[in-house]
Parts: sequence; C-alpha cells; structure tokens
Amino acid sequence: DAGVIQSPRHEVTEMGQEVTLRCKPISGHNSLFWYRQTMMRGLELLIYFNNNVPIDDSGMPEDRFSAKMPNASFSTLKIQPSEPRDSAVYFCASSLDRYTEAFFGQGTRLTVV
Amino acid sequence: DQQVKQNSPSLSVQEGRISILNCDYTNSMFDYFLWYKKYPAEGPTFLISISSIKDKNEDGRFTVFLNKSAKHLSLHIVPSQPGDSAVYFCAASARLYAGKSTFGDGTTLTVKP
Repeated sequence: DAGVIQSPRHEVTEMGQEVTLRCKPISGHNSLFWYRQTMMRGLELLIYFNNNVPIDDSGMPEDRFSAKMPNASFSTLKIQPSEPRDSAVYFCASSLDRYTEAFFGQGTRLTVV
Repeated sequence: DQQVKQNSPSLSVQEGRISILNCDYTNSMFDYFLWYKKYPAEGPTFLISISSIKDKNEDGRFTVFLNKSAKHLSLHIVPSQPGDSAVYFCAASARLYAGKSTFGDGTTLTVKP
C-alpha cells in the first residue's frame, strides 16, 4: 500500500488566496483526520471524519477553514482566504477504524506570504 | 491548558544504552496512549500503544509503561540505535477514538554512535 498520500507537498501562496490541500487515505480505512503542526501549538487535530461523515470539527480554527470528504478515497482541506498565520505543516491521517492508531501522510508545508 | 506534556525537549544517549522518554497527561478521560516517531520532512509513524487497563506493553526494543495514578507514561528503547534518532511524540485519546489524539510537543532523541 502506498500509504496516505497528500498533495501538494509544498504550497506557497499570497495572503487572501484560496488554498486547497488534498488527501488520499489508505484504502479500506474508515477514519480520516486533518492535523496541523506549528511551532507555537504543536500537532493539533483540526477535524475528524468517520465513514466520510465529519464527526468532530471543533479544532477548525475559523470559518475560513473547511474540509470535505466526498468519498472514501478523497478529502480536501480548504482555506479561504488564507492568512500568514495559517503557515504550518498540514497532515492528513487515516485509520482502519476509530479504535486503531492513525497512519500519517508526509504532510503539506503551507507558506502564506 | 496543555493536556499532554513532554517536559524534555531533547535527549541524547549513547548507542547501545537505554533511552527513556517521559510523558505526563492531565485529562482523566484519556484511556489510550500512543507513541509516534517522526523523522524530518515525514509524517509521524505509529510506534507502540497502551490501553489504560495495562501498565506495560512491549514490542521488541520498545516498551511503554503507564502509571495511571501519576498520570505518567514512559517509552523505553533498549538498546538504542542511531536509527532511532528522531522526534518522539506522546499522544493520548479516548479508546473509542484512538486516532483522534492529543499530542505532546515531542522529544528529540539523538543516539550517538
């Protein structure tokens, strides 16, 4: 299995632009997570899907952030409009079910200038 | 309020010796604990976990100890190898949502040859 695949690996955008991060979870995994890593806040959970349904989005920082999972093999995290403080590494992770550990993708390093 | 704390940002040990990484938590609702290892430019990789019904779990060179009364867990690596050099994250969750974890800030382990 190729593991969790995220794209792009790096994204540089200007403040105010829309940014879309993409994730393909491991086939057969029913749970998907979006995490963000920053120096100030460490690794924090943004949103969690189970069977394509958002279960907990309490970690989404603002309305500028939205996430979708239209099917079991694809998810997006969108930031509109982006701000410099959104600069971080965004990780997508998936797990077989809600009882098991998560497998992480390599992350997308987002820089908003 | 940081619910999972790794008080040592870094640890350096000699190859062949034991590495002990520590983690404290404050939320009594946590009943499942995980350790992840992270190399630069990669996502965290699951290492080992422990349920609150146990006080020890062993997997090869890695052993996790849990002291529920002290809300403390530790990861022991014996013997340490240079390839173990990485950032180690402690994570805690409710067992029903193992992938939905609260992470510590990480400890950078350096194993010197």
